[in-house]
Amino acid sequence: EPEVTQTPSHQVTQMGQEVILRCVPISNHLYFYWYRQILGQKVEFLVSFYNNEISEKSEIFDDQFSVERPDGSNFTLKIRSTKLEDSAMYFCASRKTGLVDTQYFGPGTRLTVL
Amino acid sequence: DAKTTQPTSMDCAEGRAANLPCNHSTISGNEYVYWYRQIHSQGPQYIIHGLKNNETNEMASLIITEDRKSSTLILPHATLRDTAVYYCIVRPNLNFGNEKLTFGTGTRLTIIP
Repeated sequence: EPEVTQTPSHQVTQMGQEVILRCVPISNHLYFYWYRQILGQKVEFLVSFYNNEISEKSEIFDDQFSVERPDGSNFTLKIRSTKLEDSAMYFCASRKTGLVDTQYFGPGTRLTVL
Repeated sequence: DAKTTQPTSMDCAEGRAANLPCNHSTISGNEYVYWYRQIHSQGPQYIIHGLKNNETNEMASLIITEDRKSSTLILPHATLRDTAVYYCIVRPNLNFGNEKLTFGTGTRLTIIP
């Protein structure tokens, strides 16, 4: 069964550094998402992406964040200058299309900012 | 999106049916009920969704009341691997625009050996 994959599984970085989290959505999916979950808190929506542009973003997704689909398979989340409060699990999700369709999530990347 | 209310936690004996309730009294006509679960800190796993009819798949059954104000997720024969946080989410099923999932705190289901 096709799955969403994410790399790395764990990323440790210093405050102020740039990080890129990578996702490979399911191959025939057209809608892509990033969510995050701070330890002990709810899963929060960050951004949705379709047809090479952002379709919606949350208040969390400020100018420090960007997303890109650099080729036909990868979907990336970049944090330009990480802060301590960016430490969280980051989940990528994708969905195909159509009226009755659902989002499938990857296993997540644990980002630790020191 | 309509708000959902779920119990904070539940226990179920291994091998028994686990029945997880969800209240969504403000659901509107174009909103579907989705269930996901999260095992430890893994990515949320899709379980099932429905609009107004009862649904069943290989993982679970979803029973939606006639007035659609509440639903129950049923895991027919719970195993230890079903221990997880279960999220009930309502959202419009549209092919454009607002497709985000809004997660609440869910129900922490513990399967007891």
